Amino acid sequence: QQQVRQSPQSLTVWEGETAILNCSYENSAFDYFPWYQQFPGEGPALLISILSVSDKKEDGRFTIFFNKREKKLSLHIADSQPGDSATYFCAARGNTNTGKLTFGDGTVLTVKP
Amino acid sequence: DPKIIQKPKYLVAVTGSEKILICEQYLGHNAMYWYRQSAKKPLEFMFSYSYQKLMDNQTASSRFQPQSSKKNHLDLQITALKPDDSATYFCASSQEPTNTGQLYFGEGSKLTVL
Repeated sequence: QQQVRQSPQSLTVWEGETAILNCSYENSAFDYFPWYQQFPGEGPALLISILSVSDKKEDGRFTIFFNKREKKLSLHIADSQPGDSATYFCAARGNTNTGKLTFGDGTVLTVKP
Repeated sequence: DPKIIQKPKYLVAVTGSEKILICEQYLGHNAMYWYRQSAKKPLEFMFSYSYQKLMDNQTASSRFQPQSSKKNHLDLQITALKPDDSATYFCASSQEPTNTGQLYFGEGSKLTVL
C-alpha cells in the first residue's frame, strides 16, 4: 500500500502559467511534508516544506496548500519558467526519530516557452 | 562543489557478484541515509545512521549492508547481486535524524545488474 500518492504523473504548462501538483497521504502520523525537485542526473533537492500545523507555506513562486482533514496537499508554482521543468516529489515524515521520509512517485513537470 | 560525494556514478555488475557504493559527506552532518530509486518504485528509504549507529533499516534483505568507517562515511555493500537490484542509489545526510527538513542528497550511483 503506497502511503504517499501524487497526481498527475506528468504535467505540461506554458511559461507564465501556474502549475498545480497534488499529493495525498494515508498515515495520520505524518507531521512534516517536504517537496523535492529533481533534474535528470542529479539527486533530489529540497524545494519547500510544510508542517502539519500549518495550512499554507509560501516561498517566492512556490506555495504549498495543506488540508489536514482531507490528508491532501498541493504545490503551486506560479509564473512557471522553462527552468522549472523537472520531477517533483512529495514526501512525508512520520513521527519517528530515525529520519525516514516516505516519497510519492513524483510528477514530471514540463514548462513550454 | 558537491558536498556529498558518491562513487562510482555508474556501475555495471553481473548477477551474483558484489559491489560497494561509496558515500562521503562534507557538511558536518551527524545523520546519513541510503535511498533507492528504481523505475518501478518511488524513492525508497533503506537505512539511516546517526553518529555511526544504525537507526532504522527498512531493507528486507541482508544482502544490503551499510558500513560506516568514519562519521562522514556511509558505504553500502551489496552482495549476491540480482537484476532487480538495478536502480540509482542515493546517499543523503542531515544534521540530526530528527532534522530531515534539511535533507541533502548526493548525485547518486546508478547500478545496472546484468
